[in-house]
Amino acid sequence: DGGITQSPKYLFRKEGQNVTLSCEQNLNHDAMYWYRQDPGQGLRLIYYSQIVNDFQKGDIAEGYSVSREKKESFPLTVTSAQKNPTAFYLCASSIWGQGASTDTQYFGPGTRLTVL
Amino acid sequence: LAKTTQPISMDSYEGQEVNITCSHNNIATNDYITWYQQFPSQGPRFIIQGYKTKVTNEVASLFIPADRKSSTLSLPRVSLSDTAVYYCLVYNQGGKLIFGQGTELSVKP
Repeated sequence: DGGITQSPKYLFRKEGQNVTLSCEQNLNHDAMYWYRQDPGQGLRLIYYSQIVNDFQKGDIAEGYSVSREKKESFPLTVTSAQKNPTAFYLCASSIWGQGASTDTQYFGPGTRLTVL
Repeated sequence: LAKTTQPISMDSYEGQEVNITCSHNNIATNDYITWYQQFPSQGPRFIIQGYKTKVTNEVASLFIPADRKSSTLSLPRVSLSDTAVYYCLVYNQGGKLIFGQGTELSVKP
Protein backbone atom coordinates (compact mmCIF):
# COMPACT_ATOMS: atom_id res chain seq x y z
CA ASP A 1 0.00 0.00 0.00
CA GLY A 2 1.91 3.02 -1.26
CA GLY A 3 1.58 6.53 0.06
CA ILE A 4 2.77 9.17 2.47
CA THR A 5 2.58 8.76 6.20
CA GLN A 6 2.88 11.45 8.81
CA SER A 7 3.14 10.94 12.50
CA PRO A 8 1.84 11.71 14.94
CA LYS A 9 -1.63 12.90 13.88
CA TYR A 10 -1.92 15.18 16.90
CA LEU A 11 0.98 16.66 18.81
CA PHE A 12 1.09 18.86 21.85
CA ARG A 13 4.15 20.63 23.07
CA LYS A 14 5.04 23.16 25.68
CA GLU A 15 6.23 26.56 24.66
CA GLY A 16 10.00 26.68 24.24
CA GLN A 17 10.40 23.03 23.25
CA ASN A 18 11.59 21.74 19.91
CA VAL A 19 9.48 19.06 18.25
CA THR A 20 10.06 16.87 15.19
CA LEU A 21 7.31 15.85 12.78
CA SER A 22 7.80 12.70 10.78
CA CYS A 23 7.11 12.24 7.06
CA GLU A 24 7.77 9.03 5.16
CA GLN A 25 6.89 8.07 1.58
CA ASN A 26 7.20 4.79 -0.29
CA LEU A 27 6.25 6.22 -3.70
CA ASN A 28 9.88 6.47 -4.82
CA HIS A 29 9.42 10.19 -5.33
CA ASP A 30 12.46 12.44 -5.60
CA ALA A 31 10.89 15.61 -4.25
CA MET A 32 9.34 16.21 -0.83
CA TYR A 33 7.70 19.27 0.70
CA TRP A 34 6.47 20.68 3.99
CA TYR A 35 3.52 23.06 4.17
CA ARG A 36 1.82 24.85 7.00
CA GLN A 37 -1.91 25.57 7.04
CA ASP A 38 -3.66 27.93 9.44
CA PRO A 39 -7.45 27.92 9.97
CA GLY A 40 -9.33 29.16 6.92
CA GLN A 41 -6.14 29.71 4.97
CA GLY A 42 -4.37 28.08 2.09
CA LEU A 43 -1.09 26.19 2.35
CA ARG A 44 2.23 27.95 2.77
CA LEU A 45 5.50 26.28 1.82
CA ILE A 46 8.07 25.86 4.61
CA TYR A 47 10.83 23.77 3.00
CA TYR A 48 11.23 21.51 0.02
CA SER A 49 13.78 19.00 -1.15
CA GLN A 50 14.35 17.87 -4.71
CA ILE A 51 17.00 15.29 -3.94
CA VAL A 52 18.65 13.54 -1.02
CA ASN A 53 20.99 15.72 1.04
CA ASP A 54 19.65 18.91 -0.51
CA PHE A 55 16.78 21.19 0.46
CA GLN A 56 15.62 24.78 -0.06
CA LYS A 57 13.73 27.26 2.06
CA GLY A 58 10.17 28.00 1.16
CA ASP A 59 8.22 31.14 1.96
CA ILE A 60 8.08 30.73 5.75
CA ALA A 61 11.21 28.79 6.76
CA GLU A 62 12.12 30.85 9.83
CA GLY A 63 11.90 28.80 13.00
CA TYR A 64 11.92 25.47 11.15
CA SER A 65 14.62 23.02 10.10
CA VAL A 66 14.65 19.89 7.94
CA SER A 67 16.94 17.08 6.86
CA ARG A 68 16.88 14.72 3.87
CA GLU A 69 19.26 11.89 4.61
CA LYS A 70 17.11 9.27 2.89
CA LYS A 71 14.91 9.48 -0.17
CA GLU A 72 11.94 8.17 1.79
CA SER A 73 12.14 10.50 4.76
CA PHE A 74 11.87 14.26 5.25
CA PRO A 75 11.45 15.16 8.95
CA LEU A 76 10.54 18.68 10.00
CA THR A 77 11.70 20.20 13.28
CA VAL A 78 9.70 23.04 14.73
CA THR A 79 12.11 24.93 16.90
CA SER A 80 11.49 27.21 19.85
CA ALA A 81 12.34 30.10 17.55
CA GLN A 82 9.06 29.65 15.69
CA LYS A 83 6.88 32.30 17.28
CA ASN A 84 3.49 30.88 16.40
CA PRO A 85 3.86 27.16 15.75
CA THR A 86 0.28 26.04 16.38
CA ALA A 87 -0.97 24.91 12.96
CA PHE A 88 -1.76 21.98 10.69
CA TYR A 89 1.39 20.65 9.01
CA LEU A 90 1.25 18.82 5.70
CA CYS A 91 3.95 16.83 3.98
CA ALA A 92 3.86 16.11 0.25
CA SER A 93 5.96 14.39 -2.38
CA SER A 94 6.20 14.43 -6.15
CA ILE A 95 8.04 12.52 -8.85
CA TRP A 96 10.14 15.18 -10.50
CA GLY A 97 10.15 18.32 -8.44
CA GLN A 98 11.24 21.45 -10.25
CA GLY A 99 11.23 21.35 -14.01
CA ALA A 100 8.22 19.12 -14.60
CA SER A 101 5.19 20.78 -16.15
CA THR A 102 2.66 18.24 -15.04
CA ASP A 103 4.15 17.37 -11.68
CA THR A 104 1.51 16.35 -9.15
CA GLN A 105 2.03 16.58 -5.43
CA TYR A 106 0.68 13.81 -3.19
CA PHE A 107 -0.10 14.79 0.37
CA GLY A 108 0.03 12.99 3.67
CA PRO A 109 -2.77 13.09 6.26
CA GLY A 110 -1.18 15.92 8.22
CA THR A 111 -0.07 16.56 11.79
CA ARG A 112 -1.93 19.03 13.95
CA LEU A 113 0.50 20.72 16.31
CA THR A 114 -0.74 22.60 19.35
CA VAL A 115 1.57 24.61 21.57
CA LEU A 116 0.32 24.87 25.12
CA LEU B 1 3.94 31.66 -10.65
CA ALA B 2 0.65 32.96 -12.01
CA LYS B 3 -1.79 34.33 -9.49
CA THR B 4 -5.25 32.82 -9.41
CA THR B 5 -8.58 34.23 -8.24
CA GLN B 6 -11.54 32.09 -7.30
CA PRO B 7 -14.70 32.61 -5.23
CA ILE B 8 -14.25 32.24 -1.50
CA SER B 9 -17.34 30.09 -1.07
CA MET B 10 -20.21 28.44 -2.94
CA ASP B 11 -23.36 26.65 -1.89
CA SER B 12 -25.12 23.88 -3.74
CA TYR B 13 -27.64 21.10 -3.24
CA GLU B 14 -27.26 17.40 -3.72
CA GLY B 15 -27.69 16.27 -7.31
CA GLN B 16 -26.83 19.64 -8.84
CA GLU B 17 -23.92 20.36 -11.14
CA VAL B 18 -21.38 22.74 -9.62
CA ASN B 19 -19.09 24.95 -11.65
CA ILE B 20 -16.20 26.75 -9.96
CA THR B 21 -14.40 29.31 -12.08
CA CYS B 22 -10.82 30.37 -11.57
CA SER B 23 -9.23 33.45 -13.15
CA HIS B 24 -5.56 33.39 -14.10
CA ASN B 25 -4.98 36.40 -16.34
CA ASN B 26 -1.19 36.13 -16.21
CA ILE B 27 -0.95 32.49 -17.19
CA ALA B 28 2.24 31.72 -19.09
CA THR B 29 2.51 29.71 -22.28
CA ASN B 30 3.90 26.65 -20.53
CA ASP B 31 1.62 26.75 -17.49
CA TYR B 32 -0.76 23.93 -16.66
CA ILE B 33 -3.97 24.38 -14.65
CA THR B 34 -4.42 22.02 -11.74
CA TRP B 35 -7.22 21.57 -9.22
CA TYR B 36 -6.94 20.04 -5.77
CA GLN B 37 -9.64 19.09 -3.26
CA GLN B 38 -9.19 19.27 0.50
CA PHE B 39 -11.47 17.86 3.19
CA PRO B 40 -11.22 19.22 6.75
CA SER B 41 -8.12 18.03 8.62
CA GLN B 42 -6.82 16.14 5.59
CA GLY B 43 -4.18 16.81 2.96
CA PRO B 44 -5.22 18.14 -0.46
CA ARG B 45 -5.96 15.58 -3.15
CA PHE B 46 -5.27 16.02 -6.86
CA ILE B 47 -8.50 16.17 -8.89
CA ILE B 48 -7.69 17.14 -12.44
CA GLN B 49 -5.16 18.93 -14.62
CA GLY B 50 -5.35 20.45 -18.09
CA TYR B 51 -3.65 22.72 -20.59
CA LYS B 52 -6.41 23.67 -23.02
CA THR B 53 -9.96 22.84 -24.19
CA LYS B 54 -11.59 20.16 -22.06
CA VAL B 55 -10.35 17.41 -19.80
CA THR B 56 -12.60 14.85 -18.14
CA ASN B 57 -11.94 12.10 -15.64
CA GLU B 58 -14.07 9.99 -13.34
CA VAL B 59 -14.35 12.81 -10.80
CA ALA B 60 -14.69 16.08 -12.70
CA SER B 61 -14.35 18.02 -15.92
CA LEU B 62 -12.10 20.97 -16.57
CA PHE B 63 -13.04 23.54 -19.20
CA ILE B 64 -10.36 25.91 -20.48
CA PRO B 65 -11.21 28.58 -23.09
CA ALA B 66 -8.90 29.38 -25.96
CA ASP B 67 -7.27 32.38 -24.23
CA ARG B 68 -6.59 30.24 -21.12
CA LYS B 69 -7.13 33.22 -18.81
CA SER B 70 -9.71 31.31 -16.83
CA SER B 71 -10.80 27.76 -16.21
CA THR B 72 -13.90 26.09 -14.82
CA LEU B 73 -14.00 23.00 -12.68
CA SER B 74 -17.26 21.16 -13.16
CA LEU B 75 -18.52 18.63 -10.61
CA PRO B 76 -21.51 16.67 -11.93
CA ARG B 77 -24.34 15.76 -9.57
CA VAL B 78 -22.63 16.67 -6.30
CA SER B 79 -23.28 14.81 -3.09
CA LEU B 80 -22.76 15.75 0.55
CA SER B 81 -19.34 14.12 0.39
CA ASP B 82 -18.20 16.73 -2.15
CA THR B 83 -18.28 19.38 0.58
CA ALA B 84 -14.65 20.53 0.65
CA VAL B 85 -12.27 23.31 -0.29
CA TYR B 86 -11.20 23.38 -3.94
CA TYR B 87 -7.90 24.97 -4.97
CA CYS B 88 -6.99 26.18 -8.43
CA LEU B 89 -3.25 26.29 -9.19
CA VAL B 90 -1.36 27.41 -12.26
CA TYR B 91 2.27 26.44 -12.78
CA ASN B 92 4.74 25.16 -15.29
CA GLN B 93 7.12 23.34 -13.07
CA GLY B 94 7.00 21.32 -9.93
CA GLY B 95 8.26 22.50 -6.60
CA LYS B 96 6.84 25.72 -5.25
CA LEU B 97 3.09 25.61 -5.66
CA ILE B 98 0.96 28.47 -4.42
CA PHE B 99 -2.24 27.45 -2.69
CA GLY B 100 -4.57 30.42 -2.22
CA GLN B 101 -7.58 30.36 0.06
CA GLY B 102 -9.49 28.17 -2.36
CA THR B 103 -13.25 27.88 -2.79
CA GLU B 104 -15.19 26.39 0.10
CA LEU B 105 -18.01 24.35 -1.43
CA SER B 106 -20.92 23.48 0.82
CA VAL B 107 -23.36 20.87 -0.46
CA LYS B 108 -26.70 20.76 1.30
CA PRO B 109 -29.29 17.98 1.33
